[in-house]
Amino acid sequence: GAVVSQHPSRVICKSGTSVKIECRSLDFQATTMFWYRQFPKKSLMLMATSNEGSKATYEQGVEKDKFLINHASLTLSTLTVTSAHPEDSSFYICSATGLRGDTQYFGPGTRLTVL
Amino acid sequence: TQLLEQSPQFLSIQEGENLTVYCNSSSVFSSLQWYRQEPGEGPVLLVTVVTGGEVKKLKRLTFQFGDARKDSSLHITAAQPGDTGLYLCADYSGAGSYQLTFGKGTKLSVIP
Repeated sequence: GAVVSQHPSRVICKSGTSVKIECRSLDFQATTMFWYRQFPKKSLMLMATSNEGSKATYEQGVEKDKFLINHASLTLSTLTVTSAHPEDSSFYICSATGLRGDTQYFGPGTRLTVL
Repeated sequence: TQLLEQSPQFLSIQEGENLTVYCNSSSVFSSLQWYRQEPGEGPVLLVTVVTGGEVKKLKRLTFQFGDARKDSSLHITAAQPGDTGLYLCADYSGAGSYQLTFGKGTKLSVIP
């Protein structure tokens, strides 16, 4: 149990376009979802925390107008990178917690490459 | 802000050798977690330790939690190529917080 999926697993886009990444909890209701980004050979950096039905809370230094997060249901959160630039190229990982909130289950990640 | 330091940053060993990696915190851990992450994948939880002095074993992996709950170690016995990956320690940011703070990780390579 406690499986989190992400789609797509890889995406390549042109500079200036927007990209949407989906994060789904497959077998549990995720009251809270987290979005991380990870640069090569670096650790995970939390970008934002989202609770179903409410606005996401962004970490300091993360532009909320650039990284749009929607958590419309208890099983789906989306991250939209708007007007992507090459410096946005990274590995984006989501995680989700259930009702108990004591464990984060991580998705497999999405590799974004902006040309 | 809690800081988690992991050492060594990189480790390359031969198959069959033993190794230990460390995680130290600038403050007392709430609930220390160890993860392994393989290239191109999300982190996978290995263990959670909560009680000072706690020791947990997971096959060839032994996790120790310091008495003061500010440090932890992960020991791997007879390392295998399948152990290759990035080992991350993490802690919840505070009481009642669901946010995780990660260390920078130890990149382990086990050479056949």
